[in-house]
Amino acid sequence: DIQMTQSPSSLSASVGDRVTITCRASQGISNYLAWFQQKPGKAPKSLIYAASSLQSGVPSKFSGSGSGTDFTLTISSLQPEDFATYYCQQYNSYPLTFGGGTQVEIK
Amino acid sequence: QVQLVQSGAEVKKPGASVKVSCKASGYTFTGYYMHWVRQAPGQGLEWMGWINPNSGGTNYAQKFQGWVTMTRDTSISTAYMELSRLTSDDTAVYYCARAYSGYYVDWGQGTLVTVSS
Repeated sequence: DIQMTQSPSSLSASVGDRVTITCRASQGISNYLAWFQQKPGKAPKSLIYAASSLQSGVPSKFSGSGSGTDFTLTISSLQPEDFATYYCQQYNSYPLTFGGGTQVEIK
Repeated sequence: QVQLVQSGAEVKKPGASVKVSCKASGYTFTGYYMHWVRQAPGQGLEWMGWINPNSGGTNYAQKFQGWVTMTRDTSISTAYMELSRLTSDDTAVYYCARAYSGYYVDWGQGTLVTVSS
């Protein structure tokens, strides 16, 4: 199975900050990488697919990059509604696997 | 608009089975694979498998083979996930997710399954 490692596991940031979350795959997954946002008690929301493509309706402050084993999710200017947990997922091979999550908290 | 509406919360005893439904609307049900993902309390996301609503074909994570069954009823655009021989470790929120070319586009609201004696 491909292991997905996210870092950091949590971070504190202020409104307006630029935030970057890293996801590393245990083996190459090309660009078959997705990012999700999850708020407490809610279903995940799909943000990015194919490492850097925004899902329909997702604001452009979210961006993704990377290929192979190393990927990043960047939020350009953190807003109150962005405080949540973020997960990466590889869909290159089965079983599909998720990172452990990064909780973004208010400083 | 696309909607995936799941069945309500369930409380089950150890050893029992649970069947969760996911009713799709706003798109052609048979055109997209449906995946199931679960999340134990305070934990991360775990992929369980998918069903091809067109053919009924399935692909289960090895961990769940032999005790999960995914089915569908195309006449009512609904996918089902049944988990048998429940233990307390199966207490989780179960989500269905519509997939396009392998990635998830839409999610159901989740169904909490609690296993308790």
